[in-house]
Amino acid sequence: AQSVTQLDSQVPVFEEAPVELRCNYSSSVSVYLFWYVQYPNQGLQLLLKYLSGSTLVKGIKGVEAQFNKSQTSFHLRKPSVHISDTAEYFCAVSESGWDYGGSQGNLIFGKGTKLSVKP
Amino acid sequence: GAGVSQSPSNKVTEKGKDVELRCDPISGHTALYWYRQSLGQGLEFLIYFQGNSAPDKSGLPSDRFSAERTGGSVSTLTIQRTQQEDSAVYLCASSSRQRGGRETQYFGPGTRLLVL
Repeated sequence: AQSVTQLDSQVPVFEEAPVELRCNYSSSVSVYLFWYVQYPNQGLQLLLKYLSGSTLVKGIKGVEAQFNKSQTSFHLRKPSVHISDTAEYFCAVSESGWDYGGSQGNLIFGKGTKLSVKP
Repeated sequence: GAGVSQSPSNKVTEKGKDVELRCDPISGHTALYWYRQSLGQGLEFLIYFQGNSAPDKSGLPSDRFSAERTGGSVSTLTIQRTQQEDSAVYLCASSSRQRGGRETQYFGPGTRLLVL
């Protein structure tokens, strides 16, 4: 079974400051890693995902994440935040598929981190 | 449409009534997922469809919950005899699912269910 821990439930930060949202995971099998963002009263939008290859993944909205297998972490970073980045951010994993039908691909989510950007 | 749509967007019901939640996935997406987002439990997986088949229903929280998908497209999540603990946002996602969990899941806006 897999589990995801987001270490900070809330992160306040000033506009134009850098931010790091932390995520650790636990799994006995290989996983794929995802970061989603949710704005108020909206669904989830994918920011980036790690499947394989380079451990530094760049996504949309100026974010990037570093996969660290030894520390089982997948922290999200943004060098400069804006008011519009205020939202809830979710880290998620899914069991990697080996053959068609081998994995459902359902996401296991962390509890979320509420990012609040202040002027 | 261009994205995943869900209806209704909001539903208020009385305890004990049945409700049906609908999901229209992105055209051509063979995989469809239902998730529930609640204050106490966070985001939790409920059920997965590949085509019209749901190979694993173990994520459904009780036998009051059921889901079906017809024509490889629209899916309906039904909650019978609703309880107050069923109050949550029900999210639907779809993906092309070419291979395992690699594909991006695209989420709908959710249905906000309130059981009084």
